[in-house]
Amino acid sequence: GESVGLHLPTLSVQEGDNSIINCAYSNSASDYFIWYKQESGKGPQFIIDIRSNMDKRQGQRVTVLLNKTVKHLSLQIAATQPGDSAVYFCAETFNAGNMLTFGGGTRLMVKP
Amino acid sequence: DTGVSQDPRHKITKRGQNVTFRCDPISEHNRLYWYRQTLGQGPEFLTYFQNEAQLEKSRLLSDRFSAERPKGSFSTLEIQRTEQGDSAMYLCASSLAHSDNEQFFGPGTRLTVL
Repeated sequence: GESVGLHLPTLSVQEGDNSIINCAYSNSASDYFIWYKQESGKGPQFIIDIRSNMDKRQGQRVTVLLNKTVKHLSLQIAATQPGDSAVYFCAETFNAGNMLTFGGGTRLMVKP
Repeated sequence: DTGVSQDPRHKITKRGQNVTFRCDPISEHNRLYWYRQTLGQGPEFLTYFQNEAQLEKSRLLSDRFSAERPKGSFSTLEIQRTEQGDSAMYLCASSLAHSDNEQFFGPGTRLTVL
């Protein structure tokens, strides 16, 4: 497959451990913050979103935390699996369904 | 319908040539988006449609770029007089409704301009 990002920050975790991926955003006016996962050779895949009036949202094995005070977003993945290996991007948007502004990505590598 | 499809997957062209890419969204989705992604970067928004109407265009979309969605289904993105700086992955995405943040992305078209 094709490499998504050659010079991305990398997080390496052991299979079964929890992973935390962080993102700093710049626009305090954004209404929604979203996490996407991109595997090599594929387009990004939606993971979870959170509205700006929330500070935590949980999905299946994932939790997103939003700290508006410091403009920080994090994605927590519980019991990380090899299939979680990918590049993760945070994104923001002003209104649901509008254009996404993506941040820099983080490469997650899961060691068996 | 298994998802968003894009054609071609790869395109190599010489500088100055015109290229056209096609995107077929998920059939019931009324919003369609185009993004561009270079290696090591997140996707950058180019333009989006609701049905056949083009609602927004990025400043990145120069006069050489044009996108259409004539019948509110598939979309085409044309780049005229390609430049080496146009080399990138062009991603298409679609979503069901204006209230939905879950955009479904296609596999992209990798453009290389020589």
